[in-house]
Amino acid sequence: KNEVEQSPQNLTAQEGEFITINCSYSVGISALHWLQQHPGGGIVSLFMLSSGKKKHGRLIATINIQEKHSSLHITASHPRDSAVYICAVSSTSGSRLTFGEGTQLTVNP
Amino acid sequence: DTEVTQTPKHLVMGMTNKKSLKCEQHMGHRAMYWYKQKAKKPPELMFVYSYEKLSINESVPSRFSPECPNSSLLNLHLHALQPEDSALYLCASSPWGSTDTQYFGPGTRLTVL
Repeated sequence: KNEVEQSPQNLTAQEGEFITINCSYSVGISALHWLQQHPGGGIVSLFMLSSGKKKHGRLIATINIQEKHSSLHITASHPRDSAVYICAVSSTSGSRLTFGEGTQLTVNP
Repeated sequence: DTEVTQTPKHLVMGMTNKKSLKCEQHMGHRAMYWYKQKAKKPPELMFVYSYEKLSINESVPSRFSPECPNSSLLNLHLHALQPEDSALYLCASSPWGSTDTQYFGPGTRLTVL
């Protein structure tokens, strides 16, 4: 079992829909990161969380430390949100990120 | 300046060639990373430099040789690569370590013939 599990693997939505991507982890963490990767390669860090909730524009990220679970929400989705969303954790013991397998999101107009 | 730059964007090389990938950041970050990413997979960590010293080598074959000439620059020297080494090579930096936000470069798409 991977230390970081994401669901769903693939997600197709219509423009305007509310989207949720989930991430569960099995190790102690110091921080959880949500990353976005568009076709062509570049990775952008969206959020770094150690507790609670963060919001940036239409994106909201939450984390429940007790349940070892985080969610990334996108409100009023748009085709430009189409990308791979990756959850990654910084463990308390290590000095590296452990990545989930990613969620491929496609938003159709 | 809040970006990480990588050159070249694309590289095609034969198995006997020697080439280098370059990564640069001017954010004053003390940690720099090399990742390898295969299609439809998450990045795999290769090397971490902390304060210009190699702190993590994820058992990477010696045909990959990292170098950190100064705090802003990270190189990856390539020699005698195999076709299975074809991938996207990503560089990243962070202020102190992996618990910080990492800033990724756009990557170098490497094809080994």
